[in-house]
Amino acid sequence: DVKVTQSSRYLVKRTGEKVFLECVQDMDHENMFWYRQDPGLGLRLIYFSYDVKMKEKGDIPEGYSVSREKKERFSLILESASTNQTSMYLCASKPGTSRNTDTQYFGPGTRLTVL
Amino acid sequence: GQNIDQPTEMTATEGAIVQINCTYQTSGFNGLFWYQQHAGEAPTFLSYNVLDGLEEKGRFSSFLSRSKGYSYLLLKELQMKDSASYLCAVRDNYGQNFVFGPGTRLSVLP
Repeated sequence: DVKVTQSSRYLVKRTGEKVFLECVQDMDHENMFWYRQDPGLGLRLIYFSYDVKMKEKGDIPEGYSVSREKKERFSLILESASTNQTSMYLCASKPGTSRNTDTQYFGPGTRLTVL
Repeated sequence: GQNIDQPTEMTATEGAIVQINCTYQTSGFNGLFWYQQHAGEAPTFLSYNVLDGLEEKGRFSSFLSRSKGYSYLLLKELQMKDSASYLCAVRDNYGQNFVFGPGTRLSVLP
């Protein structure tokens, strides 16, 4: 079974703090993704990575950065947290193959509250 | 642009059948996925369609019409544990990125 883990289930930070969200997958997947999920808006893609040290902006990258130094680990960084970044953050991974049935596998999520 | 629509909420009775619709307008298409997400948990994969028609998987079936930009998820013999959000997602032409709809929260009542 694919396992995607995230460093924290719940996190409370203050405005202006630097926040690190870590994601690790154990299936040697090439692709990794960071989403945020808000009521009524669904999952929105922040950043994704298709290989080590490679990253691409998603739909809402502003206020975020990412790091992929090792294949199994993809970090999301909030340089200076703001209250509008309070959300559920979901990490996902996916094989880099072109098989049609390949889906994304999600981590359990981190509920971040910025005060 | 990218737009995926689903009803926000639905309610059904235990043992009944429910159909959750999804319409999409995306710049590319390489498959449509349905996920189930229980409250506070990660989305889990339910089904996949890339060709028109119906895919059946036990109590769950998914239908796709590419010409209409339309899909539905059919849940039969509803159980209380089916109470969850159901997410529709379209994969892009390159096969890597997914665009998600807002999700449909299904409540199954006794």
